[in-house]
Amino acid sequence: GENVEQHPSTLSVQEGDSAVIKCTYSDSASNYFPWYKQELGKGPQLIIDIRSNVGEKKDQRIAVTLNKTAKHFSLHITETQPEDSAVYFCAARPNFGNEKLTFGTGTRLTIIP
Amino acid sequence: DSGVTQTPKHLITATGQRVTLRCSPRSGDLSVYWYQQSLDQGLQFLIQYYNGEERAKGNILERFSAQQFPDLHSELNLSSLELGDSALYFCASSADREGRYGYTFGSGTRLTVV
Repeated sequence: GENVEQHPSTLSVQEGDSAVIKCTYSDSASNYFPWYKQELGKGPQLIIDIRSNVGEKKDQRIAVTLNKTAKHFSLHITETQPEDSAVYFCAARPNFGNEKLTFGTGTRLTIIP
Repeated sequence: DSGVTQTPKHLITATGQRVTLRCSPRSGDLSVYWYQQSLDQGLQFLIQYYNGEERAKGNILERFSAQQFPDLHSELNLSSLELGDSALYFCASSADREGRYGYTFGSGTRLTVV
């Protein structure tokens, strides 16, 4: 099955700076890669996703890049704000069959005011 | 509010006991997924139901079982509880069988086994 590794496990950045979280996956058949944000006491919330037919997707201050050859994808947050502090999870899955989303172990992002 | 409702929010019980966690999916969603999140662990997939039928099984222990009812709500039953079962249990839902457009998660049930 799919295995997703996520780094770093913790990340602290100054408010206004950029944050980058990286994930690698093992199953070359995976072609759907969502990112979830989990705030304290809440469930994970989908913030952006990318499919394998594109290399980059952007939504305001967040962007995701995908390198299928290297089997890695990254989340980029620019102009970070205190409300970006949360745990971020990447995930991967093939777009067929009964395979479910496989999640990374999470990155705790802290924005320092 | 994500639209996925989980009850109870917190549960404290003793080893050896049995508990039932409940999930109501977002309106119109037919798939329900159960995930376990232990301390410093990612989200581990347990089981999926689609329109009342079991569709996929992950690393779910034999002591655990689930079902989805005709009104589409789902229950996760955990029995013979052990200290190691203490975790956050999340339910998620999706409109389609494959979850091609991602999942919507509830706020979770925090289970503490003492």
